[in-house]
Amino acid sequence: DVKVTQSSRYLVKRTGEKVFLECVQDMDHENMFWYRQDPGLGLRLIYFSYDVKMKEKGDIPEGYSVSREKKERFSLILESASTNQTSMYLCASNTRRALAGVISPGELFFGEGSRLTVL
Amino acid sequence: DQQVKQNSPSLSVQEGRISILNCDYTNSMFDYFLWYKKYPAEGPTFLISISSIKDKNEDGRFTVFLNKSAKHLSLHIVPSQPGDSAVYFCAASLRDDKIIFGKGTRLHILP
Repeated sequence: DVKVTQSSRYLVKRTGEKVFLECVQDMDHENMFWYRQDPGLGLRLIYFSYDVKMKEKGDIPEGYSVSREKKERFSLILESASTNQTSMYLCASNTRRALAGVISPGELFFGEGSRLTVL
Repeated sequence: DQQVKQNSPSLSVQEGRISILNCDYTNSMFDYFLWYKKYPAEGPTFLISISSIKDKNEDGRFTVFLNKSAKHLSLHIVPSQPGDSAVYFCAASLRDDKIIFGKGTRLHILP
């Protein structure tokens, strides 16, 4: 059974703290994504990685960084958490279609989400 | 600027009737469009997709229509069932595999 696992379902942090959100997938996917979901704003792409050590900014990268040292793991880092980063964070992964030799994007598999509250 | 737009935050439909969810996009470089469904406290799950070179794709009760000239797509659910009550996200993919989502539409199926 395919799986994307996010390390923490619920976190409460203080303003200014450094926060790590971890995501692990067991499907040998090349692509991994971090989104945040907020009421009325939908899912917004923070960062995208298509290979180990590769990353691309999404629509809202400010205040975040990422790390992809191993293929199966993609970490989202909040260097100094702020209250406006209170949100639901969703990790996802899929096959890189150029490598898979297919023209359609691979199905995106999501984790269950990490709800972060910054006080 | 939003590249994928879902202008209806919510929609209520009687059970057994047709549900139509709409989506507009601005980036002509998108080559695939996808619909995802999300229940509370769960991650989104894939529903159906369509290539930008097609105008219709059907899978059981779900059909997606694409009007490329209008940069508009719609998801039809027929007949609507209680289990269809969820948030539906329209998404679009670029050739570099980046996937952009809309804000979502909450669908309520009424008994």
